Amino acid sequence: SQQGEEDPQALSIQEGENATMNCSYKTSINNLQWYRQNSGRGLVHLILIRSNEREKHSGRLRVTLDTSKKSSSLLITASRAADTASYFCAVSGSARQLTFGSGTQLTVLP
Amino acid sequence: GAVVSQHPSWVICKSGTSVKIECRSLDFQATTMFWYRQFPKQSLMLMATSNEGSKATYEQGVEKDKFLINHASLTLSTLTVTSAHPEDSSFYICSARGGLAGSSYEQYFGPGTRLTVT
Repeated sequence: SQQGEEDPQALSIQEGENATMNCSYKTSINNLQWYRQNSGRGLVHLILIRSNEREKHSGRLRVTLDTSKKSSSLLITASRAADTASYFCAVSGSARQLTFGSGTQLTVLP
Repeated sequence: GAVVSQHPSWVICKSGTSVKIECRSLDFQATTMFWYRQFPKQSLMLMATSNEGSKATYEQGVEKDKFLINHASLTLSTLTVTSAHPEDSSFYICSARGGLAGSSYEQYFGPGTRLTVT
């Protein structure tokens, strides 16, 4: 299985701090995506990084991808209480299906 | 961006009954739709992939006779949980993609359906 593994499983930080989440996967990929999910709700697409890209930014989000280590990281800068959610990485391989990681539960304390 | 809707958003049913969940792409044609299941505090697990007009491809361990998937049009896919049991209680999420399987078109996710079987 090329399901991603994320760490940490849970992260609690103070508002204004940065949050970093990591994702590792097992096989070659076409792209890696990050999603956010508020409790009991659907997924919100955050950012997609292709296998030939190393870093991508979107607002307060910064994603890196290291295909040699088969890992990615999501950095949320200047976190807000509204960033509290579960964050999932998902990898897309040759079959173009998305396989999700185990997720990181982020809590931002006001 | 593209919008995918699901109906109902939540449903409670009695054990032994069947439940149908609809997934619609509202502003694009979805040649491929995916159904996921998510248990509390766990990740999304792909159940099946369906292309419009053809039979769904189920992931290993997913009973195709229990989870009936129909993708009869480019904007609608349905998941029917037959003879539901309490262990089928879960959050079911669909996603839709334009283009054929193998294309790089982005997947768009529905808001999910919470199924509770009593």
